[in-house]
Amino acid sequence: DTAVSQTPKYLVTQMGNDKSIKCEQNLGHDTMYWYKQDSKKFLKIMFSYNNKELIINETVPNRFSPKSPDKAHLNLHINSLELGDSAVYFCASSHESGSPLHFGNGTRLTVT
Amino acid sequence: AQSVTQLGSHVSVSEGALVLLRCNYSSSVPPYLFWYVQYPNQGLQLLLKYTTGATLVKGINGFEAEFKKSETSFHLTKPSAHMSDAAEYFCAVSEEGNNRLAFGKGNQVVVIP
Repeated sequence: DTAVSQTPKYLVTQMGNDKSIKCEQNLGHDTMYWYKQDSKKFLKIMFSYNNKELIINETVPNRFSPKSPDKAHLNLHINSLELGDSAVYFCASSHESGSPLHFGNGTRLTVT
Repeated sequence: AQSVTQLGSHVSVSEGALVLLRCNYSSSVPPYLFWYVQYPNQGLQLLLKYTTGATLVKGINGFEAEFKKSETSFHLTKPSAHMSDAAEYFCAVSEEGNNRLAFGKGNQVVVIP
């Protein structure tokens, strides 16, 4: 059983398009996250939700909008995609403050 | 805000030799410290963590790390490198009451036969 699953694994799209990435966790965790990993492998937090409430919202363009329909799901919608949005996006979840994050396998987004 | 420094983006080690990856952190309160490993085209997997208690922490795959408050360090070691240890390694820090996990820039470990 996959603990944190994201779809799709690969996403290739053109500039200006709108796309979504879905994430689901079956660990019963209260907190979910989106991280962006750039071409140099640097990981930066984008958003965090706790029980469907947004608790971390980093300096991210407002073209990026997270949505959490319930505490097991956190989706990421991106409007008007730009070349610089190309990266690997990781979903993660954790039980409580200080507990380890469990990561999905990532979604590699390529904007052409 | 908490932060992590990992020096040397690429680390080459001979098979059977000691693996040493350095991590220094900055935190205004007692930190929670983690090492993660990332294999190609995969997500991050937890190697080990320090929250409280014993400062020498053992993890999976023969890795261990020691929390040294005086040096603000949490270096990762493995006595004998194996080919399967080739991967990207990330040190990360968070604080109690804070869900924000800050990552270092990572070390790409290459194991030479």
